[in-house]
Amino acid sequence: EVQLVESGGGLVQPGGSLRLSCAASGFTISDHYIDWVRQAPGKGLEWVGRTRNKAYSYTTEYAASVRGRFTISRDDSQNSLYLQMNSLNTEDTAVYYCTRLFYDGSDYYCDYWGQGTLVTVSS
Amino acid sequence: DIQLTQSPSFLSASVGDRVTITCRASQGINSYLAWHQQKPGKAPKVLIYAASTLQSGVPSRFSGSGSGTEFTLTISSLQPEDFATYYCQQLKSYPLTFGGGTKVEIK
Repeated sequence: EVQLVESGGGLVQPGGSLRLSCAASGFTISDHYIDWVRQAPGKGLEWVGRTRNKAYSYTTEYAASVRGRFTISRDDSQNSLYLQMNSLNTEDTAVYYCTRLFYDGSDYYCDYWGQGTLVTVSS
Repeated sequence: DIQLTQSPSFLSASVGDRVTITCRASQGINSYLAWHQQKPGKAPKVLIYAASTLQSGVPSRFSGSGSGTEFTLTISSLQPEDFATYYCQQLKSYPLTFGGGTKVEIK
């Protein structure tokens, strides 16, 4: 069974850092693109970033709102990936989800979502 | 950035009703569109990808159509478990973007 489990959320002060983890089971994470998506309290969904699979050298893309502050990395030995978040501000307060993508022959689409982890940035 | 505008943002419907949600893109995105369902306090779930392909396990009362700039999600006969918020997402170009959501509530 495919599962994605996020962890590492919590309360952090403005300007601080946090590293989120996304542990995968039921599939090999190096074979898949993975996206991070967030949702501020009571708001809609916002795409945060993407890491491509091993075949594409794990290259990354980021939303402008997080570029230069957030970094996606992977540890294939742990079948996990990470979202390092630096210089956090109150607008980063959200539930963060990792999502698995698959290739349908034309593009990459999400097929599984994790359950999310809450990050609260507050003094 | 490609903007996605969903309408309506809120709709009230009864069990058994046919429901249609529209998603309009600010520029053409071919068929690179997905629909997600989210229930309160839960993670989203994928319903449809490539504009009209039903994700495995999703009931056939859900259907998607459209290409270019206009897309629709249709629920042919609304069931109690379908009351949720629905989001469209474009995957044509970065940054990927979502529509603002359509909340479907019980009339």
